[in-house]
Formats: sequence, C-alpha cells, structure tokens
Amino acid sequence: NAGVMQNPRHLVRRRGQEARLRCSPMKGHSHVYWYRQLPEEGLKFMVYLQKENIIDESGMPKERFSAEFPKEGPSILRIQQVVRGDSAAYFCASSPTDMAYEQFFGPGTRLTVL
Amino acid sequence: GQQVMQIPQYQHVQEGEDFTTYCNSSTTLSNIQWYKQRPGGHPVFLIQLVKSGEVKKQKRLTFQFGEAKKNSSLHITATQTTDVGTYFCAGQQSDSWGKLQFGAGTQVVVTP
Repeated sequence: NAGVMQNPRHLVRRRGQEARLRCSPMKGHSHVYWYRQLPEEGLKFMVYLQKENIIDESGMPKERFSAEFPKEGPSILRIQQVVRGDSAAYFCASSPTDMAYEQFFGPGTRLTVL
Repeated sequence: GQQVMQIPQYQHVQEGEDFTTYCNSSTTLSNIQWYKQRPGGHPVFLIQLVKSGEVKKQKRLTFQFGEAKKNSSLHITATQTTDVGTYFCAGQQSDSWGKLQFGAGTQVVVTP
C-alpha cells in the first residue's frame, strides 16, 4: 500500500510565477490536509479537504492560494504570483477519517522562490 | 484562537541521558498527537492521547496528557542517536476535526 505521494519534491519558481503542488492520498483515504513549514518552524495548518469539498480553509492566506480535491485525481495546492515569502516546505497528509485519527504525511514539496 | 506552545525549542542530550519536552495549549483539547520529524524528512505519527490524565509508553518513550487536557509531555529515557530529530505535539479540537494545531517542536541533538 503506497503512502501519501507528493510531487514535485522540489520546485523552483521566480517571483510572479504560479506553483502547483500535487498530493495523492493513501488508498482508502478521503480526507486530505495541507500544511506549510517554514525553515526551523512547526507546521501550520492551511486547508482540509474531502472529495470535491473544502471543509476548513481557516489557515489559507486570503489571496493567491487555492486548493482543490477533485472527484478524480490528486489534490492540488495552487499558489499564484509567488513571492519570496512563499518559500517553504508544503506537506500534504491524509487520513481515513478526521475524528481523532492520525494523519499520514507525504514527503513534502520544497518550494523555492527566486 | 487556539495556540499550542512547546518547550524547549532545542535539546542537546548526551547519549544515555533522559529528557522531557512539554506542550501547552491555550484551550482544552479533544486529543493530542505526537509526531517525529527527522532532518530533511516528513512528520511521522508516534502516538495519540485522548483521555484526561492518560499515560502511554512506547519502549523508552512515555507520553502524558494532563488532567485538564491542556498540556502534554514526552519523556525519553536513555537517549540514543536514533532519537535525533524534531518532536512535535499537535492538538485537535472537536469543533474543528481534521485541523491539527502544531507546536513549534523540540529539536533534539544527541551527542555520543
């Protein structure tokens, strides 16, 4: 059973470009979460999605960031017009349920904005 | 909003010694989870505590959940070089299932 998959593992963008980060949850998991980790810091919750629904986006910046989890295919975290401050590791996690259950993390995408 | 604080930020330990990392939430939690992240890696689930006053052990690791369900601790005995990494606590509340509020982590360095 493959774990959570994320791609790309490393992404370099210039300021003003768009970044698309993909996440395929573990088989049988319908709950997906995105977190951002700045260097030497903890993980900050961004968004929680189920298939075709955003359940909690309280951690998402109001502008430039969006997320989706379509009926078919991976979850996508999209950052438009990236700025240097967006440079971070973005982790996706999944779980079979959201209630008091462990989350399985992917290897992360390290985004560098030049 | 809910905040989870974790201390110490760094812990330098001699191999064979014990240490403890502490986690405090500004609000009462439904449960608390602990994760370990190796350098360059991703968080890996260690354990979940749900009940008030709960204590769980995993070999040399002992996890506690406070009576008020607002604080937790992780105690490691006889530290080994394999314990190197950052340990995070993460709290969850019943009115926002799915959302894990992570502490800043305790980065552990072990010297032989």
